[in-house]
Amino acid sequence: EAGVTQFPSHSVIEKGQTVTLRCDPISGHDNLYWYRRVMGKEIKFLLHFVKESKQDESGMPNNRFLAERTGGTYSTLKVQPAELEDSGVYFCASSQTGTHVFGPGTRLTVT
Amino acid sequence: GQSLEQPSEVTAVEGAIVQINCTYQTSGFYGLSWYQQHDGGAPTFLSYNGLDGLEETGRFSSFLSRSDSYGYLLLQELQMKDSASYFCADNLIYNQGGKLIFGQGTELSVKP
Repeated sequence: EAGVTQFPSHSVIEKGQTVTLRCDPISGHDNLYWYRRVMGKEIKFLLHFVKESKQDESGMPNNRFLAERTGGTYSTLKVQPAELEDSGVYFCASSQTGTHVFGPGTRLTVT
Repeated sequence: GQSLEQPSEVTAVEGAIVQINCTYQTSGFYGLSWYQQHDGGAPTFLSYNGLDGLEETGRFSSFLSRSDSYGYLLLQELQMKDSASYFCADNLIYNQGGKLIFGQGTELSVKP
């Protein structure tokens, strides 16, 4: 089966610009998560979808971040406007029960 | 809140055995997962302990003691390809698709 895919793999933007990250989960996985790793620190939870519904968005840093999962398939994470501290690697993961399958991540650099 | 502590770095030689410890302070701890990450790529699942005791999967084993709020990952017959970051994580509500709370990761370097 195809794994979790993310696009783009890298993005370099200037402070104040907008970036949209995309995640395609494994087909049939109802659970979709976004995580972020900043500067070699721990991987931190951002939010969790069950199908198209937001189950838990307690990790979203602020209202500059907007996540959607229309139709319960792929998900997008938009950062608008981007700030320097948003730089990091954004991982998407999907699961049907407990074990997360992670995508390769999007490395976001805000200059 | 939740926090998981693990050593930042461990170095070992090829063929040796290494143990990566993880202690946790969490409310509502459910179970301990271990993930491996090579060169900042996709973390990959290694093992899960929902109950106390040892779980063995090939060269890797993982252990959990709830009374001690402690677990470890044991890697045997180390190979160069085992050089990677290893994360312990609290897997909230495992069977209901819960989120992961990660430790800061342990960078394992395997030397010839």
